[in-house]
Amino acid sequence: AQSVTQPDIHITVSEGASLELRCNYSYGATPYLFWYVQSPGQGLQLLLKYFSGDTLVQGIKGFEAEFKRSQSSFNLRKPSVHWSDAAEYFCAVATNAGKSTFGDGTTLTVKP
Amino acid sequence: EAGVAQSPRYKIIEKRQSVAFWCNPISGHATLYWYQQILGQGPKLLIQFQNNGVVDDSQLPKDRFSAERLKGVDSTLKIQPAKLEDSAVYLCASSFESSSGNTIYFGEGSWLTVV
Repeated sequence: AQSVTQPDIHITVSEGASLELRCNYSYGATPYLFWYVQSPGQGLQLLLKYFSGDTLVQGIKGFEAEFKRSQSSFNLRKPSVHWSDAAEYFCAVATNAGKSTFGDGTTLTVKP
Repeated sequence: EAGVAQSPRYKIIEKRQSVAFWCNPISGHATLYWYQQILGQGPKLLIQFQNNGVVDDSQLPKDRFSAERLKGVDSTLKIQPAKLEDSAVYLCASSFESSSGNTIYFGEGSWLTVV
């Protein structure tokens, strides 16, 4: 069975600073990997996904993530954080049958 | 393109009462999911449908939860009787198969408080 670990429960960064959110996964086959963002009271919005090919994937809102098979990681990055990025971020791994397993999320706070 | 629609958005019930949530997936999406998200945790899959058949319901507490997708489109999730620990957000999602894999699209969720 697959699993996802997001080691950081809460991260605080200053506006304009760079951001990296960590995600480690466990899955026996080639994973499908996702990052979602959830604002308070809202559903999950897809930021980016990795299925195959280039290991550096670009997403919406200026986010990117890098798949590192040797480290079983799929960390999310943004070079300059905006106050509107404050939200909860979820990493997920999916099988090719479409079953997704989510991490418990990382809450991002942005300081002015 | 319309997204995944869910209703009601918010519901407060007493324990031992029943509640039902409705979901209308994105048009053309064959796969429909119900997830439970407890505060402070990631979504947990309750049930996955492919058209009107169940693909995975291994995490569904079948003594109190039921779900159906009779015509392969809309779906209903029911809880009867509700317990305090059922307080959560119930997220409906849908996806379709493509050459670049399945991408899951979520609704805004139905927020349940059991008192």
